[in-house]
Amino acid sequence: DVKVTQSSRYLVKRTGEKVFLECVQDMDHENMFWYRQDPGLGLRLIYFSYDVKMKEKGDIPEGYSVSREKKERFSLILESASTNQTSMYLCASIDGGIHQPQHFGDGTRLSIL
Amino acid sequence: AQSVTQLGSHVSVSEGALVLLRCNYSSSVPPYLFWYVQYPNQGLQLLLKYTTGATLVKGINGFEAEFKKSETSFHLTKPSAHMSDAAEYFCAAVKEAGTALIFGKGTTLSVSS
Repeated sequence: DVKVTQSSRYLVKRTGEKVFLECVQDMDHENMFWYRQDPGLGLRLIYFSYDVKMKEKGDIPEGYSVSREKKERFSLILESASTNQTSMYLCASIDGGIHQPQHFGDGTRLSIL
Repeated sequence: AQSVTQLGSHVSVSEGALVLLRCNYSSSVPPYLFWYVQYPNQGLQLLLKYTTGATLVKGINGFEAEFKKSETSFHLTKPSAHMSDAAEYFCAAVKEAGTALIFGKGTTLSVSS
């Protein structure tokens, strides 16, 4: 079974801090994604990566950046955290073909105070 | 713009009753469609997917969905609800360009005894 692991389940940070959310997958998947989940809005795509050092903006990239230095790891960075970035963050990965389902981590619930 | 619409943010049924969760999509190309389930404090788990071929798709836990191109729908059903089905359900479609998903806003299913 594919395992997508997010480093923290719960995280509390302060406004203005630089925040790192880490995601690791163990199946050598090429594509990795970061989504943000908010009540009543579903999941929205922040960034995705289809290869090492490659990244593409999703629908809501403002205030975020990403890093993919190794194939198995995809990091989401909040450059200067703000209270409106309080949310649940979900990482996912997929092995190539668009007909394959994405595999999700358990999520990181981030609170910015 | 491509979209996925879930009708009803909250559905309540009695144990043993039919479950029907509605999903409509808009796409200019043949869609790849998914239903995911999310239990509290967990990531998303794949229920079923439609890619090509048979329009009635069977998934895990007794759920199934029917792809109807003429109605641009992919509704999720289960003949008899169980208490353990209480969760949030998301319909998703692969974006027309790439492998990322576009999600509906989710439907919370409550099951009463």
